Amino acid sequence: NAGVTQTPKFQVLKTGQSMTLQCAQDMNHNSMYWYRQDPGMGLRLIYYSASEGTTDKGEVPNGYNVSRLNKREFSLRLESAAPSQTSVYFCASTPGLSWRVDYGYTFGSGTRLTVV
Amino acid sequence: SQQGEEDPQALSIQEGENATMNCSYKTSINNLQWYRQNSGRGLVHLILIRSNEREKHSGRLRVTLDTSKKSSSLLITASRAADTASYFCAFILDSSYKLIFGSGTRLLVRP
Repeated sequence: NAGVTQTPKFQVLKTGQSMTLQCAQDMNHNSMYWYRQDPGMGLRLIYYSASEGTTDKGEVPNGYNVSRLNKREFSLRLESAAPSQTSVYFCASTPGLSWRVDYGYTFGSGTRLTVV
Repeated sequence: SQQGEEDPQALSIQEGENATMNCSYKTSINNLQWYRQNSGRGLVHLILIRSNEREKHSGRLRVTLDTSKKSSSLLITASRAADTASYFCAFILDSSYKLIFGSGTRLLVRP
């Protein structure tokens, strides 16, 4: 099925370990986003990529890095994981920048990350 | 915080009743969207209303937007048990590429 695919679905890390969350979309979308969702809260934007070759910070970028590998793939890296990064991470995509054209975001099913 | 506020935080109704959720925000927006999230799943886009629109319908969903009050409401009519989920408003700030989410309303529809 077309959509946004995230891997892995679950991950447990020790404090200080590093890992990369993978995201791929097959809808030929230009823009991709990484969000985190903490219990009982809405989503907060970590980083986004308006188009291939560009990335920008969102609301909560500290402790994260991103790579827009190509048009399909947008990865999120935790260099030195901390317990405060325990969260559910969602990747999303849109055809383009949403304030120019009106359409909703397509979300992946999420990666549940626990840092102990 | 730029995030929106939603109320109520939780809502429990009987199947067949209507459910109303409200969202407030603080600054000018380009559009406002509503999403549904089933437990443990990703978010699904429900409906989008532009800043120059006042009301929009999609099936059993009705969304209103009052830009003077910086608020929006989502009405689900004739609710079903399958509507049980968390509902989030989200909006694009003026001249921004960022979709900002509200805190969400947890809806429980009892059979």
